[in-house]
Amino acid sequence: EVQLVESGGELVQPGGSLRLSCAASGFTFSNYWMTWVRQAPGKGLEWLASIKKDGSDKYYVDSVKGRFTISKDNAKNSVYLQMSNLRAEDTAVYYCARRLGDSGWSVDYWGQGTLVTVSS
Amino acid sequence: DVVMTQSPLSLPVTPGEPASISCRSSQSLLYSNGNNYLDWYLQKPGQSPQLLIYMGSNRASGVPDRFSGSGSGTDFTLKISRVEAEDVGVYYCMQALHIPLTFGGGTKVEIK
Repeated sequence: EVQLVESGGELVQPGGSLRLSCAASGFTFSNYWMTWVRQAPGKGLEWLASIKKDGSDKYYVDSVKGRFTISKDNAKNSVYLQMSNLRAEDTAVYYCARRLGDSGWSVDYWGQGTLVTVSS
Repeated sequence: DVVMTQSPLSLPVTPGEPASISCRSSQSLLYSNGNNYLDWYLQKPGQSPQLLIYMGSNRASGVPDRFSGSGSGTDFTLKISRVEAEDVGVYYCMQALHIPLTFGGGTKVEIK
């Protein structure tokens, strides 16, 4: 059974940093691109970043470029999101998700999410 | 960026009746290989989103056949042939062709 379990979300002050983790199981992790998506309270979904199977290629939405870094450790079956210079508008539930295949960017499995609150 | 526009915002439905949600993209999602890269996701209350339909019309694994997707280019539709109580939640379309990936604003489906 495919499982994605996020962790690392917490209350952080504006300007602070945080690293989110997503532990994957139930599939061959090294064969898949992985993605982070977030959802602000009461709002819709926002794609943040995706990383290639071997970690060699990464894409980001403009609003987080230069502040967030996605990484992947195939030995640990984990994907990470390093977030810095956090702002109040980064407050959201952060989901990791698995890309369905190599054609298109559909995501077929999502974690349960981890809440990041940016506030003083 | 590709702008995704869904309608309606809210959709009250009667169990057993059909329902339909529209999604329009600001750029074509039809790729040269003939695939339309448009997905539909359902986020049930208190849950993570789940994939319903990918590439416009392909049901994801385990999705009941009362869900169907259609459309091409910039206009797409999700249809539920007979709504069940468990179908309540927010439906999102997402374009899966252009980076950055973008979602529609969501359609909240609730039982009348």
